[in-house]
Amino acid sequence: GQQVMQIPQYQHVQEGEDFTTYCNSSTTLSNIQWYKQRPGGHPVFLIQLVKSGEVKKQKRLTFQFGEAKKNSSLHITATQTTDVGTYFCAGLGSSNTGKLIFGQGTTLQVKP
Amino acid sequence: DVKVTQSSRYLVKRTGEKVFLECVQDMDHENMFWYRQDPGLGLRLIYFSYDVKMKEKGDIPEGYSVSREKKERFSLILESASTNQTSMYLCASSSSPGRPGLAGGLWEQFFGPGTRLTVL
Repeated sequence: GQQVMQIPQYQHVQEGEDFTTYCNSSTTLSNIQWYKQRPGGHPVFLIQLVKSGEVKKQKRLTFQFGEAKKNSSLHITATQTTDVGTYFCAGLGSSNTGKLIFGQGTTLQVKP
Repeated sequence: DVKVTQSSRYLVKRTGEKVFLECVQDMDHENMFWYRQDPGLGLRLIYFSYDVKMKEKGDIPEGYSVSREKKERFSLILESASTNQTSMYLCASSSSPGRPGLAGGLWEQFFGPGTRLTVL
């Protein structure tokens, strides 16, 4: 079945360092979404990318959607302690089911 | 603000019990979803519904059933709870511009706070 793989599973960084998480899909995606889950919380939507090669920015966060619409990345510049949490990518497949396929998530720890 | 609420934050049940997890959303969303979240496995879809009385199996439906009698409410049922169903259960809802799968729409999902279920 359709799968979305996300790496790394964990990342520890010093505050101020950059961070990147990557998603790869086994099939072409209609769109990709990113969510953030704070410790003890629930996933919260960050952004959706739809177009091939699309790049979107939210302050220190940069999101990219690959040209083939099979991979995506989230890059955080100069991490802060408020960035701590688990970041999930989620792909909407092309099979017209409306289901999101979530990656396993990357848990980010930031040392002050 | 969209609100998705779940009936319990924490639940402890015994093996073999029938368990009901309730989810209610207040934004008239068409789509509702049930996921379970386990460390290292991300969010796995159990069932979803894109209309009242409509349901579709997700990736791990075995041992679960669902009910959607009203648009705002989506229930997850564990017919006979087992220890391997100990997990965090998350409900989500989303609107849709039309039929499922329209990629041009915004498929943002709003999540409830989750129910941590322990089956002893």
